[in-house]
Amino acid sequence: DGGITQSPKYLFRKEGQNVTLSCEQNLNHDAMYWYRQDPGQGLRLIYYSQIVNDFQKGDIAEGYSVSREKKESFPLTVTSAQKNPTAFYLCASRPTDSNQPQHFGDGTRLSIL
Amino acid sequence: RKEVEQDPGPFNVPEGATVAFNCTYSNSASQSFFWYRQDCRKEPKLLMSVYSSGNEDGRFTAQLNRASQYISLLIRDSKLSDSATYLCAATYNQGGKLIFGQGTELSVKP
Repeated sequence: DGGITQSPKYLFRKEGQNVTLSCEQNLNHDAMYWYRQDPGQGLRLIYYSQIVNDFQKGDIAEGYSVSREKKESFPLTVTSAQKNPTAFYLCASRPTDSNQPQHFGDGTRLSIL
Repeated sequence: RKEVEQDPGPFNVPEGATVAFNCTYSNSASQSFFWYRQDCRKEPKLLMSVYSSGNEDGRFTAQLNRASQYISLLIRDSKLSDSATYLCAATYNQGGKLIFGQGTELSVKP
């Protein structure tokens, strides 16, 4: 089935540790996005990429890093510099045509041990 | 001012009621608009796109008012299963980022 796959579903991070969240899509979409959602809050954009080997910072990029080496993959690394990483992380993708909506993966819940 | 704003609610309505959500956006250059539904602890799922002329999908009607820079979602004959958070979203440039409102929580009671 075509879709967006995020893994793992749940992730625990120790203090001072970097962790990487995976996002893979087989929809042949050009653009991919990472959002963070805190309890009772909306979605905040972390990073986005419109094309392979290129990405832009969103509103809350500090403490995060991304790469876009393949069209299908857009992994997010939560670094130790992100002091409050506990949140629900959502990956999305869509065609470059801005008239098309984004579609989301089912998310990764990250918690601090 | 937030780029996309919604009343966070919660909206508590009885079954069968009609409920309306509004969402305002600050950038007049916004091109495309969408409504998403998010169930508790799940990812947002597209409910409907919002077209300039307004559009309807069963019990759901979406409208766009570019002059006043807001979009709306009307739900008629509310069902218990409509209970969720509804997120509006707007795009700003070609292939660019989609900005979400903070969501409006709807609770439909028997």
